[in-house]
Amino acid sequence: DADVTQTPRNRITKTGKRIMLECSQTKGHDRMYWYRQDPGLGLQLIYYSFDVKDINKGEISDGYSVSRQAQAKFSLSLESAIPNQTALYFCATEFSGELFFGEGSRLTVL
Amino acid sequence: QKEVEQNSGPLSVPEGAIASLNCTYSDRGSQSFFWYRQYSGKSPELIMSIYSNGDKEDGRFTAQLNKASQYVSLLIRDSQPSDSATYLCAVKDYGGSQGNLIFGKGTKLSVKP
Repeated sequence: DADVTQTPRNRITKTGKRIMLECSQTKGHDRMYWYRQDPGLGLQLIYYSFDVKDINKGEISDGYSVSRQAQAKFSLSLESAIPNQTALYFCATEFSGELFFGEGSRLTVL
Repeated sequence: QKEVEQNSGPLSVPEGAIASLNCTYSDRGSQSFFWYRQYSGKSPELIMSIYSNGDKEDGRFTAQLNKASQYVSLLIRDSQPSDSATYLCAVKDYGGSQGNLIFGKGTKLSVKP
């Protein structure tokens, strides 16, 4: 089983719908991240959390929210999805500078 | 705005050649540098980290760091078709973002048999 698990792996939705992407980890790491990847744009940080009570905005947080339900769980929500949020989303944990990524969630907003 | 710059490529090399991937960064205070490899449709994975000026070797991979020039590179010796991937340079930001990694946009490497 993967150490960092993302669900769903693929999702197609319509403009205006609320979407939640879930991430769970078995690595026991405190730091968790949500990144977005678009072709040619690299990885952009959406939100990050250093522990359950610590949530921080990244460089592109507008239109997104997160919830850190437990050390092992970090969810990303799109309250009202729009087409330019179509992207590949990665959750990651971090330890000593090394990021451990989930397999990604591909989201398409029509 | 702290930046990490990479040539997007694609960089094409023949099998067995040395592939050289380059990265520059804007924050002179950066101390930690990483190279991630990402196969198409897959998640990134760490292949090298480097913290001190000079070279660090791991198998066919060598990372080179020059803090004075704000430059970090990755050399892949005896390139194999299986090395074909996008290589992401990342720099740890110890400033306002509390130690997050700042990624370059990646260089796509293609190794031709």
